[in-house]
Amino acid sequence: DQQVKQNSPSLSVQEGRISILNCDYTNSMFDYFLWYKKYPAEGPTFLISISSIKDKNEDGRFTVFLNKSAKHLSLHIVPSQPGDSAVYFCAAMEYGNKLVFGAGTILRVKS
Amino acid sequence: DTAVSQTPKYLVTQMGNDKSIKCEQNLGHDTMYWYKQDSKKFLKIMFSYNNKELIINETVPNRFSPKSPDKAHLNLHINSLELGDSAVYFCASSQDRTGMEKLFFGSGTQLSVL
Repeated sequence: DQQVKQNSPSLSVQEGRISILNCDYTNSMFDYFLWYKKYPAEGPTFLISISSIKDKNEDGRFTVFLNKSAKHLSLHIVPSQPGDSAVYFCAAMEYGNKLVFGAGTILRVKS
Repeated sequence: DTAVSQTPKYLVTQMGNDKSIKCEQNLGHDTMYWYKQDSKKFLKIMFSYNNKELIINETVPNRFSPKSPDKAHLNLHINSLELGDSAVYFCASSQDRTGMEKLFFGSGTQLSVL
């Protein structure tokens, strides 16, 4: 039973446009959420996080939105750049427990 | 200078063999992890050590045995390898055990069992 789901295996976006990556979770006890980015042949790297007490967190071109009632979060990248092409993993946790990852979404930004 | 380094990067071996993957971090972190990325691409935690003490041990066959000689190293030994063990294994570390501190991952070890 996958508690964190990224239902879009891939997404293709034109350079300069907005990329929106979605993530749904089933465990209502999750209270901390993270996004990781992964390039081929490398390990995932931390991108941005959000606590359940917030509904938005912004870091430069990256913004994460959290909708607790819908158990949904999204990552917005504006403007998208070719270097953003990577696999994006959503992850969630309940404080003190393990981090649970989704299967990832492949983002391709076309120039 | 790589923060979390794991070796080897690729490992091809026959069923039934025993193999080890080594991991070292130079970040001064207290907590280290082993994750497995399976064929469906999910990253799943296998083990977590905090200051050489095992704190997370998921439902993993006991053919898998982690060893942490010190807090900068966490090795993974696998006995009697099976076809289903083929996956990418990632080592990671974090400042503390809460999980809220970001994880730093190694570049992965692609294990292929023939």
